[in-house]
Amino acid sequence: DIQLTQSPSFLSASVGDRVTITCRASQGINIYLAWYQHSPGKAPKLLMFGASILQSGVPSRFSGSGSGTEFTLTISNLQPEDFATYYCQQLNSYPLTFGGGTKVEIK
Amino acid sequence: QVQLVQSGAEVRKPGSSVRVSCTASGDSFNNYAVSWVRQAPGQGLEWVGDFIPIFGKANSAQKFQGRVTITVDKTSTTAYMEMSGLRSDDTAVYYCARGKGYSGYEPFDYWSQGILVTVSS
Repeated sequence: DIQLTQSPSFLSASVGDRVTITCRASQGINIYLAWYQHSPGKAPKLLMFGASILQSGVPSRFSGSGSGTEFTLTISNLQPEDFATYYCQQLNSYPLTFGGGTKVEIK
Repeated sequence: QVQLVQSGAEVRKPGSSVRVSCTASGDSFNNYAVSWVRQAPGQGLEWVGDFIPIFGKANSAQKFQGRVTITVDKTSTTAYMEMSGLRSDDTAVYYCARGKGYSGYEPFDYWSQGILVTVSS
């Protein structure tokens, strides 16, 4: 199985900050990586797929990059609604796996 | 607009089974893979398995093989996940999610609201 390791697992930031979350895969997954945002009591929301393709309707302050084994999700100009937990997911091979999550909290 | 609506919360005893449903409105699962994902209390997201209607094939994570059955009905509007041999650590919120395409390698662009399955004696 492909393991995804996210870092950090927790980060504290302020409105307007730029934050970066890293996701490392245990083996190469080309660009078959997606990012989701998950807030308590809500359904997860697809933000990015193909490592860097923004899902329709997602604000452009979200961006993604990477290929192979290292990927990043960057949120520029952090907004109050962005405080949530973020997960990466690999779609290269079965079983599909998620990273452990990164919780973004208000400083 | 596609919506995925699940059946209500369930409470089961250890060793029993549960079947949860997920109905699509506004579209069907006919051309899309449907996955089940769970989140145990205080834990992250965990992929349980999926069903690929166009191939009529189900896949699941190894830890669930032999315990999970994922199907889609003939109208391709309702997906089911049945889990047997329930244990207390199966207590979780279970989501269904639809892939962007027919293969199993597509990201999940529509999700259900999630239902809590509690396993307790």
